[in-house]
Amino acid sequence: QMQLVQSGAEVKKTGSSVKVSCKASGYTFTYRYLHWVRQAPRQALEWMGWITPFNGNTNYAQKFQDRVTITRDRSMSTAYMELSSLRSEDTAMYYCASLGASDAFDIWGQGTMVTVSS
Amino acid sequence: QSVLTQPPSASGTPGQRVTISCSGSSSNIGSNTVNWYQQLPGTAPKLLIYSNNQRPSGVPDRFSGSKSGTSASLAISGLQSEDEADYYCAAWDDSLNASVFGGGTKLTVL
Repeated sequence: QMQLVQSGAEVKKTGSSVKVSCKASGYTFTYRYLHWVRQAPRQALEWMGWITPFNGNTNYAQKFQDRVTITRDRSMSTAYMELSSLRSEDTAMYYCASLGASDAFDIWGQGTMVTVSS
Repeated sequence: QSVLTQPPSASGTPGQRVTISCSGSSSNIGSNTVNWYQQLPGTAPKLLIYSNNQRPSGVPDRFSGSKSGTSASLAISGLQSEDEADYYCAAWDDSLNASVFGGGTKLTVL
């Protein structure tokens, strides 16, 4: 079955960076856009950006433009989201999600908790 | 402040019908399709409704969606205790060139 499996929880210091991975299986990795969405504790979902695994093109939310980098390794069917200059407000669950033909996120990773503290 | 506006909470008793609204603008709901996601406590979101009113395989027909102009709605009929969850609407925004979500609605089954 189609699934996305993310890397484990991270605890980071303020000002550092975190890189979260998302491995796809059960479908052709290059056929679907891969998005990243985050959710701070008890807050709403917040879209961060996407990557086209086929050619590596990216599009980021303006809020994260200067701090986020989304990449992929086609040979590993894995996408990565790196967020730099971490601050306490970046403490959140980070999800990867695959966009289906219906233009909806029909496959979600299990989430990666990132905790930022001083 | 979310781009799409949802009521923060909704409630109903088992068997009742409840609706959750989602209000947007011409650049998002007004020009693109709306999707709805269900997030059970402690889990990742799950696609509930896509393309305004389509249900993925496995989603009960108790769930239905609609869209009119710059607003959309999710209806749940025959409410069950397992429907207690957070519900999010989402759409693409052409002006922001971004995917936008509502603030989420917490559904309580009394």
